[in-house]
Amino acid sequence: ETGVTQTPRHLVMGMTNKKSLKCEQHLGHNAMYWYKQSAKKPLELMFVYNFKEQTENNSVPSRFSPECPNSSHLFLHLHTLQPEDSALYLCASSPGGASGGVAKNIQYFGAGTRLSVL
Amino acid sequence: SQQGEEDPQALSIQEGENATMNCSYKTSINNLQWYRQNSGRGLVHLILIRSNEREKHSGRLRVTLDTSKKSSSLLITASRAADTASYFCATVSMDSSYKLIFGSGTRLLVRP
Repeated sequence: ETGVTQTPRHLVMGMTNKKSLKCEQHLGHNAMYWYKQSAKKPLELMFVYNFKEQTENNSVPSRFSPECPNSSHLFLHLHTLQPEDSALYLCASSPGGASGGVAKNIQYFGAGTRLSVL
Repeated sequence: SQQGEEDPQALSIQEGENATMNCSYKTSINNLQWYRQNSGRGLVHLILIRSNEREKHSGRLRVTLDTSKKSSSLLITASRAADTASYFCATVSMDSSYKLIFGSGTRLLVRP
């Protein structure tokens, strides 16, 4: 257990569905991340939140909509996805903040949500 | 742009042998980290090396960093079947305090 929990673990959705991915961390961290991992491609950073504020949007299509209601929870709302959006979606957290040395950069990952878009 | 490139892309060794994976990157870094990922699961942090360090050890892991060549290597000694996984390097650049840029990874298979 890494202290980061993602639900659901698997999701199958049609292109017209609306669904949400959930991530919860119990580590007291201040930064949370969404990544996309497709087959044979490097991990792609999608969004970053620091202290609940979005600090990075890596040119992600608007059909992906993140939400961070507090420092412990992160959601990824999905609507009108395409088959090429099928991938493993990983959430991570890190201590973040201005102090703490390099340890603040270490990220802790959830087990991921395997998404299939039909 | 992609920061880290791992080499080789895939590696198959016999249990008990050593495994060496290499990573190259492009920009100045604050630190470099190695992560491990079992198939279809999340990544797990293994070890971090600062830009002013040249070598670091953790159990059977040894990491080296050559900032002049912008490269790092991960050595796993006396490998076990349970070491079978994908290994990724990730860099934190000098101008970012939080963002990790991951390489494409090395898939390691340790045969029993």
